[in-house]
Amino acid sequence: EVQLVESGGGLVKPGGSLRLSCAASGFSFSNAWMSWVRQAPGKGLEWVGRIKSKTHGGTTDYAAPVKDRFTISRDDSKITLFLQMNSLKTEDTAVYYCTGGYSYGSHVFDIWGQGTMVTVSS
Amino acid sequence: SYVLTQPPSVSVAPGKTARITCGGNNIDSKSVLWYQQKPGQAPVLLIYYSSDRPSGIPERFSGSNSGNTATLTISRVEAGDEADYYCQVWDSNSDHPVFGGGTKLAVL
Repeated sequence: EVQLVESGGGLVKPGGSLRLSCAASGFSFSNAWMSWVRQAPGKGLEWVGRIKSKTHGGTTDYAAPVKDRFTISRDDSKITLFLQMNSLKTEDTAVYYCTGGYSYGSHVFDIWGQGTMVTVSS
Repeated sequence: SYVLTQPPSVSVAPGKTARITCGGNNIDSKSVLWYQQKPGQAPVLLIYYSSDRPSGIPERFSGSNSGNTATLTISRVEAGDEADYYCQVWDSNSDHPVFGGGTKLAVL
């Protein structure tokens, strides 16, 4: 079964750090470009960032609101995606989804995890 | 950056046809994706390449793209189609994906 399972969410104070994980199974994770997408309570979807496959350089790219604070990495041997979040702000409060392109190309998000909630509050 | 505009809400009676629009500058030059998100669940891919359906998505869901507007059409609407719908494109200038604000479909 093709699956993504996020973990690591929780409550953190402003200025704090948190590391999210996304365990993949059932597809060729090492060939997939993976992204993180977040959704603040009652709001729409917002792309956070992306990491390409090692074949395509393994480079990362980030949305402006999180650039220089968040870092995406991957461990293909453990088929896991990570999101390191530093200097967290209250506006980072959201459900964080990992997602990727599996069947229809790197730019088509056809596989999603169930999401993990991150709450930034004092 | 590229902006996608969706109506906040659309209402439709069961059995009728719902059309959800997604506006963007020359959007017909881009490949549009549509996602369905039910409360408390992750988004699900409905349409890719503007009009193709992934396997398992009913034929009632279709997509089109012309000029400055892409449209998701849901035929023979069912109560279970109540959800939020998001369009998305890839902004070639920034090389980032862009989502529309989402449309809440209400089945009356």
